[in-house]
Amino acid sequence: AQSVSQHNHHVILSEAASLELGCNYSYGGTVNLFWYVQYPGQHLQLLLKYFSGDPLVKGIKGFEAEFIKSKFSFNLRKPSVQWSDTAEYFCAFRGKGFKTIFGAGTRLFVKA
Amino acid sequence: EAGVAQSPRYKIIEKRQSVAFWCNPISGHATLYWYQQILGQGPKLLIQFQNNGVVDDSQLPKDRFSAERLKGVDSTLKIQPAKLEDSAVYLCASSFSRGEDSPLHFGNGTRLTVT
Repeated sequence: AQSVSQHNHHVILSEAASLELGCNYSYGGTVNLFWYVQYPGQHLQLLLKYFSGDPLVKGIKGFEAEFIKSKFSFNLRKPSVQWSDTAEYFCAFRGKGFKTIFGAGTRLFVKA
Repeated sequence: EAGVAQSPRYKIIEKRQSVAFWCNPISGHATLYWYQQILGQGPKLLIQFQNNGVVDDSQLPKDRFSAERLKGVDSTLKIQPAKLEDSAVYLCASSFSRGEDSPLHFGNGTRLTVT
């Protein structure tokens, strides 16, 4: 079955710490990959996306993600987090049939 | 551009009652989605429309849930009768097309509590 696994449900970091959120998907075909973010009190919004080409993609606010096809992974990274990065992060993929499937989310709390 | 509009923001009902949610997508977006997000889980697709036709409703509990998008613009999602396990946030999203390069734009959601 198609699914997305996010490795951590909760992450707590201090400001300036580096961030890496793990994401693995289960699907055998060509995929399009996304990270969405939900800041407190706001709606889900797109952080970054991968469709093809360079497997290292850059998004808003200094985030980047790397697609590793052999590992079915699309991990999210940021070298130095800020308090304003406190949010819930969702990894998602879209395969054949154009259905977007989401992971369970990772809640990130950044201590000032 | 104006975002995806949803109403109401919150709804509390008793089990076996009915409830309806409304969504107005971004102007020009042909594809509309309803997702259910239960606490602690990621959004799960309930139904996807392309204009006013249903593309995917495989995970919609059709014995109690229904949705329509009559004029290919706004949409309503109804639950009748509601069960306790329907307590969740109901998210509406839209995209310019079904295409793989068309990300989703979400509304703020409706938080439903069934008591």
